[in-house]
This record gives sequence, structure tokens and C-alpha cells, in this order.
Amino acid sequence: QVQLQESGPGLVKPSETLSLTCTVFDGSVSSDYYYWGWIRQPPGKALEWIGHMYDSENTNYNSALKSRVSISVDTSKNQFSLKLSSVTPADTAVYYCARGINAGYVPNWFALWGQGTLVTVSA
Amino acid sequence: QSALTQPDSVSGSPGQSITISCTGTSSDVGRYNLVSWYQQQPGKAPKLILFEVNKRPSGVSNRFSGSKSGNTASLTISGLQDEDETDYYCCSYGGNRNLVFGGGTTLTVL
Repeated sequence: QVQLQESGPGLVKPSETLSLTCTVFDGSVSSDYYYWGWIRQPPGKALEWIGHMYDSENTNYNSALKSRVSISVDTSKNQFSLKLSSVTPADTAVYYCARGINAGYVPNWFALWGQGTLVTVSA
Repeated sequence: QSALTQPDSVSGSPGQSITISCTGTSSDVGRYNLVSWYQQQPGKAPKLILFEVNKRPSGVSNRFSGSKSGNTASLTISGLQDEDETDYYCCSYGGNRNLVFGGGTTLTVL
């Protein structure tokens, strides 16, 4: 059964870059059948789509975060990663990685989620 | 892209039916049949309960159903059970390969 696991620092200083990795267990991040995304949830607030990737050349980002975010893939490690630069306390959230089904590069839903990891932005 | 609009809270008694609305625009909910719904228990990752407006993933109870009219999608839960008391989120394709979530609704079973 495929599982996703987020990892990375739980504390990041303001103005620095948040970096998280999602490892895919018992599945392949290289599969053309899926796309891979990041979603976050500030404490007590709603889910927010950050972005997703189909492969290293096909990524899409939330326009509100586009200038600060990047998603990349490392097929050798079966991982995909999130980088969010110039963070502020408003970026404090639980960050989830997730998998959706590739339907012609039209994102649709996320059927498989990681457990989430809390990242706090504070000095 | 603005978040989809959901009621902050809804409530119902055991055995009753409730409906949670999810209102978007003609650019997202109204244009595409790519609305999904998620159930999120406290401290847990969201769980997909409906996709493409009204389709249920394997293993999801048939007490959950979905529909759409114009710019508003709806989640209906019939035969309410105590275990249904939690948060629910809608999500829609918004064009240009973007996704947008709703603000979330807390369901209380009285």
C-alpha cells in the first residue's frame, strides 16, 4: 500500500526558506498516472492548495504564493520537495503532501495524503 | 483565486440528513464537474469522500452524496451518525491547472 511521508525542519526563522520533502513508499514518484501536490493548513484554519507537479517540467502553483514557491522531484530517492522562500509567521501551518490522478494535466482531487508536518515560523 | 464559500457550521440530529453547500463562481464550480469533498478528523489528514461532484471512492459510505447546481456544489450526509461530527472541505478545479479549497464547515451531531 502506497504511503507518503513528509519530513523537514519543524522550525524556520522569518525571512528564511522552508524546505520539506515527501517520500513515496511502495510506489513510484515517476509514474505518469499520478500528480503530486502540497497543501497546507494554518492552525485552526482552512486547507490551502500550494501547488503540484506532474514531472520536473510540469508544475503549477497557487498564484498567491507563486513568487516564493517551487516544487521539484528527485526520482533517484523517490521523493518530491517543496521550497517556500522569505517565510513569515503567516506561513506557520501543517504542510501535507498528497497524490492525485493525472487526467490530462487537469488537477482534480487528492486521494492519498501524508500525515502532515507542522512547520512553525518564528525567531 | 478566492476560496470557495462554505457555511462555518451545520448541525443535525442522529438519523437526520444535512447538506453542506460550497459556492464558487462560473470560473470554477460552475464551469467544471471537478468538485471534491474531504472529511477531516481532528489532528488527521483529510480523507477524500467524493470526487467529480458525486462519485464515491471505494470504501466510502453511500450515506455521502454530492450534487451541483450552477455555481454551488453540495454534500449531503444522510442517516447522520455521531462519527460524522467533524470538519468538511470542498475543492474545485479553477482552470489554468489551479485548485481552490473551501473555507471548511464544522458538522455537529446534536
